[in-house]
Amino acid sequence: AQTVTQSQPEMSVQEAETVTLSCTYDTSESDYYLFWYKQPPSRQMILVIRQEAYKQQNATENRFSVNFQKAAKSFSLKISDSQLGDAAMYFCAYRNRGGGADGLTFGKGTHLIIQP
Amino acid sequence: EPEVTQTPSHQVTQMGQEVILRCVPISNHLYFYWYRQILGQKVEFLVSFYNNEISEKSEIFDDQFSVERPDGSNFTLKIRSTKLEDSAMYFCASATGYSGADTQYFGPGTRLTVL
Repeated sequence: AQTVTQSQPEMSVQEAETVTLSCTYDTSESDYYLFWYKQPPSRQMILVIRQEAYKQQNATENRFSVNFQKAAKSFSLKISDSQLGDAAMYFCAYRNRGGGADGLTFGKGTHLIIQP
Repeated sequence: EPEVTQTPSHQVTQMGQEVILRCVPISNHLYFYWYRQILGQKVEFLVSFYNNEISEKSEIFDDQFSVERPDGSNFTLKIRSTKLEDSAMYFCASATGYSGADTQYFGPGTRLTVL
C-alpha cells in the first residue's frame, strides 16, 4: 500500500517570502501521479499542482512549483511571493496510474500561516 | 465555475441510527468518490463509483456503508448503523475519469457527529 508523509504540521512565512512544504511517499509502483491540494478555512479542497511521475520536468503553476525527486520519493511544494490568500491547509496526495477508479492517498497536511 | 455541493453541512445523530449524506457532483463528471477525515487524521479514501456501480473501495468501506446514485444528479453515502468512530468529515468528489491524472473536485464536506 502507498503512504504519504508530511512532516511539517505547521509552517509560517512572511508575506512576499518563499516557503517550501515537504512531502515524501512510499510506493512500489514506477508510474503514478502526485498532487498538492489546498484547503482554505471552511472551503473545499482545490488542486494546486500535479506531477506525473514519468515526467522528469518539475511542474510549475504561476507562483507554485514542485521539486520532484523520484529516487528519493520526495515531492515538495514551493510557494514564491507568498500572499495572504495562500493561508490554508496543504495536502500532498498520491494516485496510481490508471483510470478514474483509484482514490487519492493523502498526507496529514501542513497548515500554512502567512504573516503580514 | 461548477462546484460539488454537499448537504447537510453538519449532521448530528445517535449511535445506531442510519444517516444519509448527500452530494451533487459536477454534471458532466463520470466518477464519484467519498472520502472521510477523522479529526486530526488523514483524509482517507472510502469508495469510487462509476456507471452506477462501485469501482474501488477501501478496507474502511465495510458492510455498514453503501453508496447510490438515486437520480441523475445526487450521489449518496449511507451509513446503516452509526458508531461513535464514524464521527468525521465526509468529503464527496467527482472527476471526468479520463485518466488517473484527472483533477478530483471536492465538495465542502459534511461534518458527522455521532453521540
